Amino acid sequence: GAVVSQHPSRVICKSGTSVKIECRSLDFQATTMFWYRQFPKQSLMLMATSNEGSKATYEQGVEKDKFLINHASLTLSTLTVTSAHPEDSSFYICSARDRRLHLVRETQYFGPGTRLLVL
Amino acid sequence: GESVGLHLPTLSVQEGDNSIINCAYSNSASDYFIWYKQESGKGPQFIIDIRSNMDKRQGQRVTVLLNKTVKHLSLQIAATQPGDSAVYFCAETNYGQNFVFGPGTRLSVLP
Repeated sequence: GAVVSQHPSRVICKSGTSVKIECRSLDFQATTMFWYRQFPKQSLMLMATSNEGSKATYEQGVEKDKFLINHASLTLSTLTVTSAHPEDSSFYICSARDRRLHLVRETQYFGPGTRLLVL
Repeated sequence: GESVGLHLPTLSVQEGDNSIINCAYSNSASDYFIWYKQESGKGPQFIIDIRSNMDKRQGQRVTVLLNKTVKHLSLQIAATQPGDSAVYFCAETNYGQNFVFGPGTRLSVLP
């Protein structure tokens, strides 16, 4: 149980284009989903927190107009990197918190990550 | 700001030996701690967690110890195997808010 998928796993795009990354909770409903980015040999940095049906909460320094997050259902959240540039190249990881456990356990279950390379 | 850090960025252990990975946290209000394992090119995988009202929790081959007095968390892996090679992150949270990851420790298991 508690499986989270991401699609695509890898994407290469040209500078200036937009890229959409999907995050799905496969066997549970997620009250909250999180988006992280991770640079090589570094820890995970939280970008934003999204709750189903409401606007995402962005961490300080993360441009909400550049990183659009949509959490349309309890099993799907999307991150769109708009007008991507080479400095946006990174490993993007989503996580989800099981709705059934949100009062008991705050554990986040992570997706496999999406590696974005902007040329 | 408050942060979670690790004493050892890299750790090499002999196969079969026990591993101990340490983590220091600074937010005394944190009430829930988690250890994750991340293999290269993959997302973090949940290993074990512990609440602040406990000081020890055991799983299969893994044990987490929490010392609130000195704000220290450790992950012990018994009989370390080659498949344990990965980067290990500790994370802390305060009632589900402010989920903060430590910088990570790379564990290398030597044959």
